[in-house]
Amino acid sequence: QKEVEQNSGPLSVPEGAIASLNCTYSDRVSQSFFWYRQYSGKSPELIMSIYSNGDKEDGRFTAQLNKASQYVSLLIRDSQPSDSATYLCAVRGYSSASKIIFGSGTRLSIRP
Amino acid sequence: EPEVTQTPSHQVTQMGQEVILRCVPISNHLYFYWYRQILGQKVEFLVSFYNNEISEKSEIFDDQFSVERPDGSNFTLKIRSTKLEDSAMYFCASSAAEETQYFGPGTRLLVL
Repeated sequence: QKEVEQNSGPLSVPEGAIASLNCTYSDRVSQSFFWYRQYSGKSPELIMSIYSNGDKEDGRFTAQLNKASQYVSLLIRDSQPSDSATYLCAVRGYSSASKIIFGSGTRLSIRP
Repeated sequence: EPEVTQTPSHQVTQMGQEVILRCVPISNHLYFYWYRQILGQKVEFLVSFYNNEISEKSEIFDDQFSVERPDGSNFTLKIRSTKLEDSAMYFCASSAAEETQYFGPGTRLLVL
């Protein structure tokens, strides 16, 4: 069974600080990795996608991928109260039409 | 910005009844998906659809479920005889030839 594991949290971070979210996955042939944000009662909203080892930056967000360690992370710089949400790590297999497997999510709370 | 839309936003039904959940994917997308999220649990893949046929389905997607693209814009999920455990948020997603899946706002299904 292919799994995506995340710490459920809650992770509490002061406003303006860096939030660090981590994820591990079990399927070595996974090719695509995503971070989605989900507010309570809402649908997943894509924040970042990453496909190759290293860092990818987009505004205040940086995704990091290490395929050898089967590890993905998301850094949120200058955390804002509006960043408070559940962050879902998601992994796709080798086929472009294949499913995304989601982790259970990490609840992030930004305290003013 | 184009987005996936879903109707209805909420659906209440009696156990044993049929329900049809509707989705309008982003217009130039070719791959369509249904996911569900039971309250407090992970987002789970149900089915993917490409070129007018199912490309992959999960063990959840049994004979009670079916999908259809009845015209050039709609993508539907039918549950033939609903059970209490079908109560969940159902998300439609779509993607172009590239990797990223974009999610609709969801339909909250409650089976009584």
